[in-house]
Amino acid sequence: EAQVTQNPRYLITVTGKKLTVTCSQNMNHEYMSWYRQDPGLGLRQIYYSMNVEVTDKGDVPEGYKVSRKEKRNFPLILESPSPNQTSLYFCASGTRGLGDTEAFFGQGTRLTVV
Amino acid sequence: KQEVTQIPAALSVPEGENLVLNCSFTDSAIYNLQWFRQDPGKGLTSLLLIQSSQREQTSGRLNASLDKSSGRSTLYIAASQPGDSATYLCAIDNYGQNFVFGPGTRLSVLP
Repeated sequence: EAQVTQNPRYLITVTGKKLTVTCSQNMNHEYMSWYRQDPGLGLRQIYYSMNVEVTDKGDVPEGYKVSRKEKRNFPLILESPSPNQTSLYFCASGTRGLGDTEAFFGQGTRLTVV
Repeated sequence: KQEVTQIPAALSVPEGENLVLNCSFTDSAIYNLQWFRQDPGKGLTSLLLIQSSQREQTSGRLNASLDKSSGRSTLYIAASQPGDSATYLCAIDNYGQNFVFGPGTRLSVLP
């Protein structure tokens, strides 16, 4: 089954404690991306990757890091989380982009930073 | 910078009605447009993808149209059902690098 898998689904952490949200896709997609979704602000892109070892900033990259060492994985790293990073996070993948063919999204990770 | 808006923000209809959701965008130089459905607390599911060269796409009771010149897309849902209750998002693909989402329309279909 074609899918994008995020872990964990729910996470509560404290300010400043480094964390990683994993994302894995099984469709051999070149393109992967991270979004955060906040009430009233909608979905905003954090980072994207066009291929292995190729990453670029989206609209709201501050406070986040990513890496793309393998095609299937695209982890999101929060080196020093702060309460304003409390949000619902989505990972997505597609062929050459998210709009080239049907885009696939993970189930989301709800992060709370206290 | 591409901006996407959706009207209405929320909609409540009785079961069986036909309805139209609207999406507007500011930059007509798009690669394509995609409509998604999001259930509460869940991920997004792609419903319809319209390439920039196409005018419309259909899937079952759903029909989406695209008019690039006017910067508009509509999602038509025929014979709505309670199971259609969800938030519907349109997204513009700016040539593969950025995918800009609208704020969504929250739909409730009442039995």
